[in-house]
Amino acid sequence: AQKITQTQPGMFVQEKEAVTLDCTYDTSDPSYGLFWYKQPSSGEMIFLIYQGSYDQQNATEGRYSLNFQKARKSANLVISASQLGDSAMYFCAMREGGSFYNQGGKLIFGQGTELSVKP
Amino acid sequence: EAQVTQNPRYLITVTGKKLTVTCSQNMNHEYMSWYRQDPGLGLRQIYYSMNVEVTDKGDVPEGYKVSRKEKRNFPLILESPSPNQTSLYFCASSPDRPQLYGYTFGSGTRLTVV
Repeated sequence: AQKITQTQPGMFVQEKEAVTLDCTYDTSDPSYGLFWYKQPSSGEMIFLIYQGSYDQQNATEGRYSLNFQKARKSANLVISASQLGDSAMYFCAMREGGSFYNQGGKLIFGQGTELSVKP
Repeated sequence: EAQVTQNPRYLITVTGKKLTVTCSQNMNHEYMSWYRQDPGLGLRQIYYSMNVEVTDKGDVPEGYKVSRKEKRNFPLILESPSPNQTSLYFCASSPDRPQLYGYTFGSGTRLTVV
């Protein structure tokens, strides 16, 4: 069964507008972590934001925020004020297992969403 | 500079010829792992290591071997590569608290097996 699902293979957004990239997950582990990565056309993987399963507040990092709905098992990435440089592939990932301090464990990725920002 | 270094960046090889992709990190991370990326499938974990001499299978380990003899290095070995192992490979490492800095990825190795 797919553990991380990104249902939007591709999305378009107008420059300066906000965009939400969807991610749903499935796990029975009470301790898990959710990551979002950006992969531009150059290929490198860039860490954007993290949400822990026990975190009380939604994570934010600059223009990135994570809309974490634990009961619905969703962890959507919101990018505010889109820029042309935001055009890239975006991956949601979940860490299962690991230690109390979230060390290690398996990191499982979704299929990705390709975001295109229009000028 | 803190980084994960993979070599080579590009490799074209023939079926059955053993190859090794090296991965080295200079951040004293205990956790390291290998992924392959294929279109439409995202990144899939091949193997991971929680510490020296401790390795475990990910979701797609068939046809791959790894070793972790020292903390900084985690090579990926393809004993007898086949065309279905043509892919983009990433090595990654993480500190004790990956939630602060995420997993650090190498630049990737694009492997073609003909």
